[in-house]
Amino acid sequence: SQTIHQWPATLVQPVGSPLSLECTVEGTSNPNLYWYRQAAGRGLQLLFYSVGIGQISSEVPQNLSASRPQDRQFILSSKKLLLSDSGFYLCAWGRGIGTEAFFGQGTRLTVV
Amino acid sequence: DAKTTQPNSMESNEEEPVHLPCNHSTISGTDYIHWYRQLPSQGPEYVIHGLTSNVNNRMASLAIAEDRKSSTLILHRATLRDAAVYYCILRDVSGSARQLTFGSGTQLTVLP
Repeated sequence: SQTIHQWPATLVQPVGSPLSLECTVEGTSNPNLYWYRQAAGRGLQLLFYSVGIGQISSEVPQNLSASRPQDRQFILSSKKLLLSDSGFYLCAWGRGIGTEAFFGQGTRLTVV
Repeated sequence: DAKTTQPNSMESNEEEPVHLPCNHSTISGTDYIHWYRQLPSQGPEYVIHGLTSNVNNRMASLAIAEDRKSSTLILHRATLRDAAVYYCILRDVSGSARQLTFGSGTQLTVLP
C-alpha cells in the first residue's frame, strides 16, 4: 500500500532562519507531488506541484522554493523565513490527473 | 480551472443524514467531481469522486445532477467524528497535475 511521510510535525523557527521540510512517498512510482500551505482559519493554498524529478511548477510567487531530487521525495525550502511564512504545510501525492490525492499529516510552522 | 461554490457552514444533528451541496456551473465534460474533508489539525482526506453517475462508498454517497452543474455529498448518518471542513473540487482528466485547487469549503458542525 502507498504511504506518505511528512516531517517534522511541528517546527518553531526564528525570522531569517532557513527552512527545509521533507516529504516522501512509498509504494508508488512517478507520483504527482504537491505542497500546500494553510494559514490559520483559511483554506488550502497550492504552492508547488511536480510531475517528475526536477520538474517543479510554482503557483504563487513567494519566499519559498521546492525541489524534487528523487522520484518520491519532495522538499520545501526557504533561505530566510518571514513571519508571514507561518502556517500549516501539507504535502500530497496523486497517481495522475483526475484521480484522488493523498495528504500527509502536515507540518505546523511557527516563525517567531 | 472550473470553480466550485459551497456554503461556508452547515449544522447537523448526530445520527441524522447530511446533504452538503456544491455548485459548479462552469464544469467541463472532462472534469471529475471530487470531495475531500479536513479534520482539525490534519491533512485533507479523500472522500469520494465521480464523473456523471451517482457514486457510493463506505464513507458517503455522491449525487450528481443530470446537467452536472451541481452535486451533493451525502453522509447517511452523521457522527461527531464527521465534523470537518468539506471541500468540493473539480479535477480535469485531461489537464495538468496542477488541477488540484481547493476552495474555502463547508464547515460541518455535528450537534450531539
